Amino acid sequence: NAGVTQTPKFQVLKTGQSMTLQCAQDMNHNSMYWYRQDPGMGLRLIYYSASEGTTDKGEVPNGYNVSRLNKREFSLRLESAAPSQTSVYFCATRGTGRGYGYTFGSGTRLTVV
Amino acid sequence: QKEVEQDPGPLSVPEGAIVSLNCTYSNSAFQYFMWYRQYSRKGPELLMYTYSSGNKEDGRFTAQVDKSSKYISLFIRDSQPSDSATYLCAMTVSTQNAGNMLTFGGGTRLMVKP
Repeated sequence: NAGVTQTPKFQVLKTGQSMTLQCAQDMNHNSMYWYRQDPGMGLRLIYYSASEGTTDKGEVPNGYNVSRLNKREFSLRLESAAPSQTSVYFCATRGTGRGYGYTFGSGTRLTVV
Repeated sequence: QKEVEQDPGPLSVPEGAIVSLNCTYSNSAFQYFMWYRQYSRKGPELLMYTYSSGNKEDGRFTAQVDKSSKYISLFIRDSQPSDSATYLCAMTVSTQNAGNMLTFGGGTRLMVKP
């Protein structure tokens, strides 16, 4: 039982290049999220998906697009990478119930040069 | 001013010490409060969850919420080197919908020395 799996773990891009970060969960959760984490800034929500077929913007969506391919998979795409998008990206899922516990993946470290 | 403030540390303590980690917040509508632990190069993991004011204990960990002061704390008793990590507080107004965003503090890095 892997939980939340993110690929790749590391990536270096040149400014203007595009890439897709992949996330897959085997927890049968409806809600999935993409966060970025920058030093001293905490985690900031980029996009989320409440269920298969729906996506919504979070706090910092500019420069990103997402696809909820099916219940298991939620991908994040950078169409034209910029140095300001250098960050650690985390995918997370949330089950139902009052515990409101997110389960996070282990992250993708992205550097844009 | 950030909505949730957390001292970044690092906080260095000897093994066996009692650790106090804190967050202050400005949004009085927050009702659900969480603490996450994040080891280096790993994703955050949920440590403690509390609703509204009061204390909650789980083993060596105690979470405390004072809504009147807009202040939350995490206490770690008998701290161990394995507790060395970054601790993130997080809070939200409601848990009804997927879109009820968590607002995170920036994290406090804790180092427990043997």
